[in-house]
Amino acid sequence: EPEVTQTPSHQVTQMGQEVILRCVPISNHLYFYWYRQILGQKVEFLVSFYNNEISEKSEIFDDQFSVERPDGSNFTLKIRSTKLEDSAMYFCASSGIAGASTETQYFGPGTRLLVL
Amino acid sequence: GESVGLHLPTLSVQEGDNSIINCAYSNSASDYFIWYKQESGKGPQFIIDIRSNMDKRQGQRVTVLLNKTVKHLSLQIAATQPGDSAVYFCAENRGGKLIFGQGTELSVKP
Repeated sequence: EPEVTQTPSHQVTQMGQEVILRCVPISNHLYFYWYRQILGQKVEFLVSFYNNEISEKSEIFDDQFSVERPDGSNFTLKIRSTKLEDSAMYFCASSGIAGASTETQYFGPGTRLLVL
Repeated sequence: GESVGLHLPTLSVQEGDNSIINCAYSNSASDYFIWYKQESGKGPQFIIDIRSNMDKRQGQRVTVLLNKTVKHLSLQIAATQPGDSAVYFCAENRGGKLIFGQGTELSVKP
């Protein structure tokens, strides 16, 4: 069964450093998303991406964040200068061709980011 | 602001019993809801969804009920098994953005 994959599974970084989280969405999907989950809290939407551009972003997704689809298979989330409060699980998700508001989103296993 | 929420943070059931997890929403225009299961250290796993033109949908051992009048949905798990132990989230799809509730932790006692 196709699945979303993410690397690395864990990332430890120093405050102020840049990190890149990587995702490989399901191969025939066209809509891509990043969510985050601070420990013990609910999953929060960060950004959606379609046709090589951002469709929607949340208040959390400020200028320190960026997303890219550098090739036909990868989808990345970059945090330019990490802060302590960026520590969280980051989930990538993807959905199919019928439209973001009507398709099921499938999630990857997540990257646990710890900022020291 | 508008939100999606859950009634109880934890639910403990005996193995073999049925489980019911509830969720309330506030946006009357909401039309697509999804239940996800999250096991420790893993990503949300799709269980079942329902659209506003339905009031009930069944899957394998799971049923989702949607009551648009009171803006409430529930997830029913039949014959709950130890493998069902997880946190369950309801989520609303708002134009492609998923709005998650807080989650209910289901514990299954053997």
